[in-house]
Amino acid sequence: AQSVTQLGSHVSVSEGALVLLRCNYSSSVPPYLFWYVQYPNQGLQLLLKYTSAATLVKGINGFEAEFKKSETSFHLTKPSAHMSDAAEYFCAVSPFSGGYQKVTFGTGTKLQVIP
Amino acid sequence: DTAVSQTPKYLVTQMGNDKSIKCEQNLGHDTMYWYKQDSKKFLKIMFSYNNKELIINETVPNRFSPKSPDKAHLNLHINSLELGDSAVYFCASSQTDKNTGELFFGEGSRLTVL
Repeated sequence: AQSVTQLGSHVSVSEGALVLLRCNYSSSVPPYLFWYVQYPNQGLQLLLKYTSAATLVKGINGFEAEFKKSETSFHLTKPSAHMSDAAEYFCAVSPFSGGYQKVTFGTGTKLQVIP
Repeated sequence: DTAVSQTPKYLVTQMGNDKSIKCEQNLGHDTMYWYKQDSKKFLKIMFSYNNKELIINETVPNRFSPKSPDKAHLNLHINSLELGDSAVYFCASSQTDKNTGELFFGEGSRLTVL
């Protein structure tokens, strides 16, 4: 069984400030972990993914996330927020078991960037 | 070129009607999915097909019937629509042997049941 918890359904940051979106996971097997972004009226697109290689993962648009097994966390960060970062962000987990992937999503965090 | 495309993008219909949503992917992937996103943005998997074979069938009412004529297409037919079916339905695809679980999503089909 696997699950994802995203802390904070809404996060507001000022333009230029640090972005920190929190994600904790639960998985009975080693997980793959993902962050997806959804802009208004669009589908989800992959920001970054952890697949058991480096624990610090860099993604698109200056985002990065660190896999911490001891804390079962995969928090998303960006040093300096841009207005264009305003969107819904989803953390997701998939079992590292091969074959068909059943991806479980968190409930999402809406990021608001204040000018 | 759109990788995963869904039609229609918007659907407004009355309770009790039947409707279909179509999905096509040109990524050469072998697995396709239907996800439902509710008004609170919660994403829940409904179905998944691998090479036209149903492999994931979550607890979904029988009124929902997926169909995959080939590995590039996945359709969703909904009978006797109810108010609670109002949501955004996302099609997605992935490649099994890439083994990373990365999903590629369409832009969604927003269904409104009146």
